[in-house]
Amino acid sequence: GAVVSQHPSWVICKSGTSVKIECRSLDFQATTMFWYRQFPKQSLMLMATSNEGSKATYEQGVEKDKFLINHASLTLSTLTVTSAHPEDSSFYICSARGAPQSYEQYFGPGTRLTVT
Amino acid sequence: DQQVKQNSPSLSVQEGRISILNCDYTNSMFDYFLWYKKYPAEGPTFLISISSIKDKNEDGRFTVFLNKSAKHLSLHIVPSQPGDSAVYFCAASSRGSNYKLTFGKGTLLTVNP
Repeated sequence: GAVVSQHPSWVICKSGTSVKIECRSLDFQATTMFWYRQFPKQSLMLMATSNEGSKATYEQGVEKDKFLINHASLTLSTLTVTSAHPEDSSFYICSARGAPQSYEQYFGPGTRLTVT
Repeated sequence: DQQVKQNSPSLSVQEGRISILNCDYTNSMFDYFLWYKKYPAEGPTFLISISSIKDKNEDGRFTVFLNKSAKHLSLHIVPSQPGDSAVYFCAASSRGSNYKLTFGKGTLLTVNP
């Protein structure tokens, strides 16, 4: 149980274009999903928290207009990187939390984004 | 300001021996701690966790110890196996932060056959 999928697993796009990444909880309903970013040999940095049916909460320093998050259902959240630039190239990972007051998060396999 | 620190970037042990991964934290509001295992280009996999009201939690070959006064926790793996080779992340959370996870930078464990 507690499986989270991400699509695509990797994507290459040209500078200036937008890219959408999907995160799905496959066997449970996720009231809250999280989006992380990981640079090589670095920690996972939380970008934003999204709750189903409400606006995402972004961490300090994360541009809301650049990283658009939508959590339209209890099993799907999307992250859209708008007007991507090479510095946005990174590994993006989502996680999902089933119970509202649960510490444990279940992570997706991640999406490698390369902007050329 | 790093609230969760894993000061050893890497650790190498022999198969069958004990692996000890360490983690320190600075925020006294953290009340729950988790260890995740991660392979390259994959998402983290949950290993084991511990509440701040406990000082030890065991699950098979994995044991986590918590020393609240020292703000220190450790993950023991015994016996270590080559398949344990991965990056291990320590994470901390609190009710006050809406259960968000704060991660350390990770420790690369290599178990040599």
